[in-house]
Amino acid sequence: NAGVTQTPKFQVLKTGQSMTLQCAQDMNHEYMSWYRQDPGMGLRLIHYSVGAGITDQGEVPNGYNVSRSTTEDFPLRLLSAAPSQTSVYFCASSSPPGSLETQYFGPGTRLLVL
Amino acid sequence: AQKVTQAQTEISVVEKEDVTLDCVYETRDTTYYLFWYKQPPSGELVFLIRRNSFDEQNEISGRYSWNFQKSTSSFNFTITASQVVDSAVYFCALSDHSNYQLIWGAGTKLIIKP
Repeated sequence: NAGVTQTPKFQVLKTGQSMTLQCAQDMNHEYMSWYRQDPGMGLRLIHYSVGAGITDQGEVPNGYNVSRSTTEDFPLRLLSAAPSQTSVYFCASSSPPGSLETQYFGPGTRLLVL
Repeated sequence: AQKVTQAQTEISVVEKEDVTLDCVYETRDTTYYLFWYKQPPSGELVFLIRRNSFDEQNEISGRYSWNFQKSTSSFNFTITASQVVDSAVYFCALSDHSNYQLIWGAGTKLIIKP
């Protein structure tokens, strides 16, 4: 099993550009989530999904969209990148759904918005 | 409101010393889970332990041990005979009442000097 994979590992964007961060898991986990990690802070939840076709907002959803068409994939879309979105993004999954279970994290995507 | 506080921003010790990382949490829930994750310099997030609110037994795993005390709302992590490879940022996290989000502390950067 590859676990949770994320692509790309590193991306540079200009302000106003859009892009999609990819996340996939091969553990058949119902729950998937996206976090961002900023220096000196803990991770903050952007969006999460408890199953295919079901998504919801986390603590900091503004500027991001998600969809969950399959159990395996949970892409995160930046609609119009802003310098404030410079961060490290982590995707996580768990089963059964919810934060009571151990979440497994991908390796992260480092995003720089100029 | 739920909150996790890791008051120690950075700790530096010499190899083979014992070190304790503090974690204090706030929650009104009676059922919750606490977690510790390790983030080495390579950046990935590594799960260390999950503890539910009804189990106050201390846990030991090799050189790692955890002390959970509901009376003081603390879940402290001790590394015995520290090694250079223990150098990392350590995060404490709490499952929130909706059960779909982890509340993270800001992390403690641990530096083990040879």
